[in-house]
Amino acid sequence: QKEVEQNSGPLSVPEGAIASLNCTYSDRGSQSFFWYRQYSGKSPELIMFIYSNGDKEDGRFTAQLNKASQYVSLLIRDSQPSDSATYLCAVKKGGSEKLVFGKGTKLTVNP
Amino acid sequence: NAGVTQTPKFRILKIGQSMTLQCAQDMNHNYMYWYRQDPGMGLKLIYYSVGAGITDKGEVPNGYNVSRSTTEDFPLRLELAAPSQTSVYFCASSPSSEELFFGEGSRLTVL
Repeated sequence: QKEVEQNSGPLSVPEGAIASLNCTYSDRGSQSFFWYRQYSGKSPELIMFIYSNGDKEDGRFTAQLNKASQYVSLLIRDSQPSDSATYLCAVKKGGSEKLVFGKGTKLTVNP
Repeated sequence: NAGVTQTPKFRILKIGQSMTLQCAQDMNHNYMYWYRQDPGMGLKLIYYSVGAGITDKGEVPNGYNVSRSTTEDFPLRLELAAPSQTSVYFCASSPSSEELFFGEGSRLTVL
């Protein structure tokens, strides 16, 4: 079982819709969870992090964490064409200095 | 602010050649990382460092070496280049091992 799994997509949504990106992880010792966005040909950038079960909102982005199900998701409300990118889920175990990344989900928002 | 600077941006190597990818950061971050990203894949950790003089292996260290003599610099050495090392290499730094700041990447082709 891979440490961090994401649906590779591609995921295509119309402009203004909600995009839902999912990630599962295998290590129950994981304590920190991150979403990075990577535009084509560019480097990743952090957009959200979450440590506790529940939801965390930042503007149009909501991260959701369920440690019992070992599941983390990212919702993008009112999706814009500028949100078209690959979204990478990353997970860190407690006491570790390393982030483990999933393969990423490519999102396309159609005008 | 320069942030994380990687050189070169592009390089073509012949099989068996060696080279060093340079990475420098000006944010006084203790943590530095080297990742590689193959097409359609996520980021795989090659080596990382938690401070000057301290380095450790990641998921895919074979064929690579690193050193960390200063806080600012974290070069990645490729010995005896192989086609399997064709990839995009990202250097990143972090103040806390959580939010990673990435360089622009170095695209390496081994022929």
